Amino acid sequence: AQSVAQPEDQVNVAEGNPLTVKCTYSVSGNPYLFWYVQYPNRGLQFLLKYITGDNLVKGSYGFEAEFNKSQTSFHLKKPSALVSDSALYFCAVRGRSARQLTFGSGTQLTVLP
Amino acid sequence: GAGVSQSPSNKVTEKGKDVELRCDPISGHTALYWYRQRLGQGLEFLIYFQGNSAPDKSGLPSDRFSAERTGESVSTLTIQRTQQEDSAVYLCASSLRSPSGRFSSYNEQFFGPGTRLTVL
Repeated sequence: AQSVAQPEDQVNVAEGNPLTVKCTYSVSGNPYLFWYVQYPNRGLQFLLKYITGDNLVKGSYGFEAEFNKSQTSFHLKKPSALVSDSALYFCAVRGRSARQLTFGSGTQLTVLP
Repeated sequence: GAGVSQSPSNKVTEKGKDVELRCDPISGHTALYWYRQRLGQGLEFLIYFQGNSAPDKSGLPSDRFSAERTGESVSTLTIQRTQQEDSAVYLCASSLRSPSGRFSSYNEQFFGPGTRLTVL
């Protein structure tokens, strides 16, 4: 079975500071990893994904994530947070033979002005 | 280019009534997914359609839930005899089919805005 853990329900960061949203996963074999963002009253939007290759993946809106196989982590990062980044962030994993994408419980990011 | 659309956006119903939710995927997307998101919680997988293959129904919580999809187009999720615990946002997503082989299943899913279901 595959699973995702987002250990922080809430992350607060000051505007202009770097942000990190944590994600760890468990899957059989090598994973496909995804980050999605959900703004209030809107559907989920794709941010970035890791398939293979470089461990550092760059995505939309200046976000990036680093795949760490030994730590089974895929933390989302941004060097300088914006108030408009405030949203609910979901990490998701899919094993390479799996048909389903498993989502974490989400982390509410609040960027304070 | 239209994204994934869902209707209705909001549905209020009485306990015991049946409801039908609709999803229009992105044209050309062969894979279609339904999820449930309860207030303050993550996404719960319900069902997955891939082309003409048999759907993966492993996430349906009870036999009151069913879904249909005609070919690679519209899908409907039906909940019979609704209960208050069915209240949630129901999200639909679609994606391109990955080519068979080593890198299968890596395409991102595109989500609709969801249907907020309230069972009184």
